[in-house]
Amino acid sequence: EDQVTQSPEALRLQEGESSSLNCSYTVSGLRGLFWYRQDPGKGPEFLFTLYSAGEEKEKERLKATLTKKESFLHITAPKPEDSATYLCAVQAGSGSRLTFGEGTQLTVNP
Amino acid sequence: GAVVSQHPSRVICKSGTSVKIECRSLDFQATTMFWYRQFPKKSLMLMATSNEGSKATYEQGVEKDKFLINHASLTLSTLTVTSAHPEDSSFYICSARVPPDTQYFGPGTRLTVL
Repeated sequence: EDQVTQSPEALRLQEGESSSLNCSYTVSGLRGLFWYRQDPGKGPEFLFTLYSAGEEKEKERLKATLTKKESFLHITAPKPEDSATYLCAVQAGSGSRLTFGEGTQLTVNP
Repeated sequence: GAVVSQHPSRVICKSGTSVKIECRSLDFQATTMFWYRQFPKKSLMLMATSNEGSKATYEQGVEKDKFLINHASLTLSTLTVTSAHPEDSSFYICSARVPPDTQYFGPGTRLTVL
């Protein structure tokens, strides 16, 4: 059974204080790892897809990396508007379904 | 990015009534759509995979007679919660797949059953 574990559950940062979120996974035949951002009361917003170990993607203050066992979402010099829950999901095997982690709730204080 | 809409955004209904939620892909065609349920402070739980022109595939433990899914066109999937009860109250979110793999999500529908 595919498993995705995100840590920490919650993270509080000061504006400008860089940090990383972790997503560990156990799957048979990883096809893709996805990062989403979710604001309260809204649907997840797509951020990145990573397909193979060593791959990196960047968007503004966010950078996602992938190894054979985990992915990191690095946040550089975060701003209060980066506050949200960040979800990691994996896709494995031949199907399209995603298996989500429980998310990391990020709060960035001004 | 691809845009997915849901309607309604909020619905309140009485116990025993049925509620229909629409999910539309606005700027692309989606052969595959997904329906999720999310409880407060919890992650997304996949309910079913909806393929255009065929029957939906339900996850284990999801009652297919209670949660009716129809994917009649390449831009529209609907979820009908039949004979809703308070325990069906939740946040329902749909997504649409853009090939090869990425899912884009709708804004969600908050269902409250009184």
